[in-house]
Amino acid sequence: GAGVSQSPSNKVTEKGKDVELRCDPISGHTALYWYRQSLGQGLEFLIYFQGNSAPDKSGLPSDRFSAERTGESVSTLTIQRTQQEDSAVYLCASSSKRGGNEQFFGPGTRLTVL
Amino acid sequence: AQSVAQPEDQVNVAEGNPLTVKCTYSVSGNPYLFWYVQYPNRGLQFLLKYITGDNLVKGSYGFEAEFNKSQTSFHLKKPSALVSDSALYFCAVRDGGTGFQKLVFGTGTRLLVSP
Repeated sequence: GAGVSQSPSNKVTEKGKDVELRCDPISGHTALYWYRQSLGQGLEFLIYFQGNSAPDKSGLPSDRFSAERTGESVSTLTIQRTQQEDSAVYLCASSSKRGGNEQFFGPGTRLTVL
Repeated sequence: AQSVAQPEDQVNVAEGNPLTVKCTYSVSGNPYLFWYVQYPNRGLQFLLKYITGDNLVKGSYGFEAEFNKSQTSFHLKKPSALVSDSALYFCAVRDGGTGFQKLVFGTGTRLLVSP
């Protein structure tokens, strides 16, 4: 009965390095979302996967950001050549097609770019 | 396109007093509305939702929200605030008339409940 899990919980990296963030959604949830939250701020939508449909990438801030999802399971968010402004908490959520499609969030990955 | 507004960055209330956190929305179709809470250093936690039916929706931890179609509002309420309710609250909306599931979130309202 696990919820959404994310790894790592914290990541410190140097400017210019690439990072990979992982999200394991709730089993059976067809939709998966990535958001970014700067310190104490609101949620910034990044990307959305729904089943086998083409992902909605409209929120990705630059071409340094990309994400993949394997079927209806794990997703990885990759940030290439990290910059200090990429420092934030990256949140993943998943939802099912039933009901109101409320999203269930993971605990997030706190990324710090030095 | 849908949008959500949370007009207050912060709400202060004394413990035991009623609280209201405001939210207004804009969608072209029928709104699906949600409230989430975020405690420090935690992910977002689902509180309640409105899809259809009664305008007053009850959720977790004694919270409720009232859907008002004419005012396009979905304010979060609690009759008696607790210090432990202090957190960041997000309102969200999606257009129920489409199969597209992306939620649009408000900017969040910080609730501070003083002892």
